[in-house]
Amino acid sequence: DIQMTQSPSSLSASVGDRVTITCRASQSISSYLNWYQQKPGKAPKLLIYAASSLQSGVPSRFSGSGSGTEFTLTISSLQPEDFATYYCQQSYSTSYTFGQGTKLEVK
Amino acid sequence: QVQLQQWGAGLLKPSETLSLTCAVYGGSFSGYYWSWIRQPPGKGLEWIGEINYSGSTNYNPSLKSRVTISIDTSKNHFSLKLSSVTAADTAVYYCARSSRQRAYYYMDVWGKGTTVTVSS
Repeated sequence: DIQMTQSPSSLSASVGDRVTITCRASQSISSYLNWYQQKPGKAPKLLIYAASSLQSGVPSRFSGSGSGTEFTLTISSLQPEDFATYYCQQSYSTSYTFGQGTKLEVK
Repeated sequence: QVQLQQWGAGLLKPSETLSLTCAVYGGSFSGYYWSWIRQPPGKGLEWIGEINYSGSTNYNPSLKSRVTISIDTSKNHFSLKLSSVTAADTAVYYCARSSRQRAYYYMDVWGKGTTVTVSS
């Protein structure tokens, strides 16, 4: 299995901050990397696919970058509704795997 | 607007078989893979497996011996069976659609989740 490791595991930030979350793969996965947002009690929501493509309807303050083994999700200016847990997921191998999650909390 | 509605037994005893079904409304059923993902309480997401319209499946190797995913194209349903459950299988189970652009797959539509508890 391809292991996905996110950092940090948790992050405290304020509205308006620029935030970056990192995801590392245990082997090269090209650009086969997706990002999801999950709020408590809700299903995950797709934000970014193919490392940098913004899903339809997702605000442009979300962006993704990277290829190979290192990827980042950036929120350019945090909004109140962005406090949630974020997961990366690789689709390079058919046995899809997720990172452990990054919980974004209010400072 | 595609919607996924899922249902199934929420309380099981150890050694029983988990059975969940997901119905697809408002969109095409063919041309996609249909996945199951689970999330134990307070933990992260684990992909279980997927099936396409033709019945071709892929499974998580760690669960493969206990998992069967099937599809009923006449009803636009797909189903999950997980045998010999233990307390470690207690989780919220989600169904999801896997879409593709070029060679890139991503899960873009999700069901609301079904809580399954395994307890004697």
